[in-house]
Amino acid sequence: KQEVTQIPAALSVPEGENLVLNCSFTDSAIYNLQWFRQDPGKGLTSLLLIQSSQREQTSGRLNASLDKSSGRSTLYIAASQPGDSATYLCAVSSYNQGGKLIFGQGTELSVKP
Amino acid sequence: EAGVTQSPTHLIKTRGQQATLRCSPISGHTSVYWYQQALGLGLQFLLWYDEGEERNRGNFPPRFSGRQFPNYSSELNVNALELEDSALYLCASSLKTYEQYFGPGTRLTVT
Repeated sequence: KQEVTQIPAALSVPEGENLVLNCSFTDSAIYNLQWFRQDPGKGLTSLLLIQSSQREQTSGRLNASLDKSSGRSTLYIAASQPGDSATYLCAVSSYNQGGKLIFGQGTELSVKP
Repeated sequence: EAGVTQSPTHLIKTRGQQATLRCSPISGHTSVYWYQQALGLGLQFLLWYDEGEERNRGNFPPRFSGRQFPNYSSELNVNALELEDSALYLCASSLKTYEQYFGPGTRLTVT
């Protein structure tokens, strides 16, 4: 059974810092991995999608890496801004789980001005 | 291009009643997914529809059901509402099993 864990659960940093969010999964037979952002009470915004054959994806100040063999992904945020404050979720889809995404519990990020 | 839309935004029901939630996918997307985000429980997969058929179902009782229409929009029905059904219900769409795009959600409150 696939399980997804995110560490840390919460993170508070001063503006301008570079930071790394971690995601681990127990079954390496994944189809893809997605990182999302969620603002309080809102829906999810897709940030990056990494296919199982890829090692990393970049979008602006965001870079996500994937190491299937170790069951890990990281989301790197460069030069953090107060507007980056949100909950960040990673989710995996697996070949034997149909189309569903299995989510971690999220990392709540607060960037202080 | 319009994103995934959901209606209503908020829904207040009494225990025992039925709730109907609606979702319109991004144009061209054939797959629709439903997820429940209850306080303290994280995001849980409910249902996956593709090309009008139910393809996968999460660990939820049968009173959670749905359907997908020929235009690929979808409806989630929750019968015999219980207090613990109070949650944010999120709909997502994708092309087959690729990147999923989420709607803003429907906040269901059961009193």
